[in-house]
Amino acid sequence: KQEVTQIPAALSVPEGENLVLNCSFTDSAIYNLQWFRQDPGKGLTSLLLIQSSQREQTSGRLNASLDKSSGRSTLYIAASQPGDSATYLCAVRQSNDMRFGAGTRLTVKP
Amino acid sequence: GAGVSQTPSNKVTEKGKYVELRCDPISGHTALYWYRQSLGQGPEFLIYFQGTGAADDSGLPNDRFFAVRPEGSVSTLKIQRTERGDSAVYLCASSLNPGQANEQFFGPGTRLTVL
Repeated sequence: KQEVTQIPAALSVPEGENLVLNCSFTDSAIYNLQWFRQDPGKGLTSLLLIQSSQREQTSGRLNASLDKSSGRSTLYIAASQPGDSATYLCAVRQSNDMRFGAGTRLTVKP
Repeated sequence: GAGVSQTPSNKVTEKGKYVELRCDPISGHTALYWYRQSLGQGPEFLIYFQGTGAADDSGLPNDRFFAVRPEGSVSTLKIQRTERGDSAVYLCASSLNPGQANEQFFGPGTRLTVL
């Protein structure tokens, strides 16, 4: 059974810092991996989708990498801002459903 | 449509009652998914529809949970004899077609509280 783990569970950084969020998964036979943002009491906002054949995706200050063979993905956030404060979830697609990690709760302090 | 919508946004009910949660997918999306998210956890898969049929209901926790999508668009998740442990945010997602590479777009969720 696919298990998705996110480390750290919580992270607090000062504004302007670059940071890395980690995601690991136990079964490398995935179709894609997706990073989401979730604000308190809200739904999921898709940030980046990496297909299994890809190594990375970039959008603005965000860069996500995928190493399928080692079962790892990282989300890099450059020049963090207070508005980046949210919970970040990674999810892998293996069949009909997506398997999610428990998320990393990020706080960016002004 | 603009995105996936879900109603109600919040639902408070008493233990033992019946509830229905509604999902309107993005227009033209044939695949629809229901997930449940407990506090502090990531969403967990419940059921997946391709068109009108439930293609995979392996995530439904027990027979108190049921979902329908009679016309291949709107879906309703139904929970009978609710229990306090059913309290969670219920998320719906849709994708253009069921291919595993296709992105799922999520709605805002329905927060269910069972007293």
